Amino acid sequence: GAGVSQSPSNKVTEKGKDVELRCDPISGHTALYWYRQSLGQGLEFLIYFQGNSAPDKSGLPSDRFSAERTGGSVSTLTIQRTQQEDSAVYLCASSPEAGGMGSPLHFGNGTRLTVT
Amino acid sequence: EDKVVQSPLSLVVHEGDTVTLNCSYEVTNFRSLLWYKQEKKAPTFLFMLTSSGIEKKSGRLSSILDKKELFSILNITATQTGDSAVYLCAGHNQAGTALIFGKGTTLSVSS
Repeated sequence: GAGVSQSPSNKVTEKGKDVELRCDPISGHTALYWYRQSLGQGLEFLIYFQGNSAPDKSGLPSDRFSAERTGGSVSTLTIQRTQQEDSAVYLCASSPEAGGMGSPLHFGNGTRLTVT
Repeated sequence: EDKVVQSPLSLVVHEGDTVTLNCSYEVTNFRSLLWYKQEKKAPTFLFMLTSSGIEKKSGRLSSILDKKELFSILNITATQTGDSAVYLCAGHNQAGTALIFGKGTTLSVSS
């Protein structure tokens, strides 16, 4: 597609349930990032994938959060046993170059997650 | 710990005013600073700055970086209601892992 695609655009779930958020990066982009944006806050880094290298998971807030990227393309962010504080917009971004050096990130429209 | 601080957090101006948004950063092995505009959903890229003192311009928007004082400014002249958005500043380190974002400046332009 022309841009980064995320699904679903909105997700409402009950506390304690697991959720999966999907990201389709721009074709050919080797770097993929997940960020979280809470109301009135900046973007909080979660995880970064670059090619076949081990992902940088340093931003994941707890072991309830995990992500994978299959075949170097589509990525799934999974949140287990969701809590109300997980409510936020989850943004995915991709970049054509290693680590985004010299190239900006292109963002998707995000998934708005609401945990009730 | 790396951080990016933006000021002011919010700003209300009238159409036609000129505004300056500030961004200071502390980023290990700094590589570049980026500005994004976020309206309803996806942040959209505005500028990437890597060298001090070189102004980048796009229409009524311009930005400059000072690597000695570790800050950048984003100027918007002759503001329009369509400029109302959250403006995000982000630092990128040499390793090129994650962009480190500030909390953003919410700009409201009234007609």
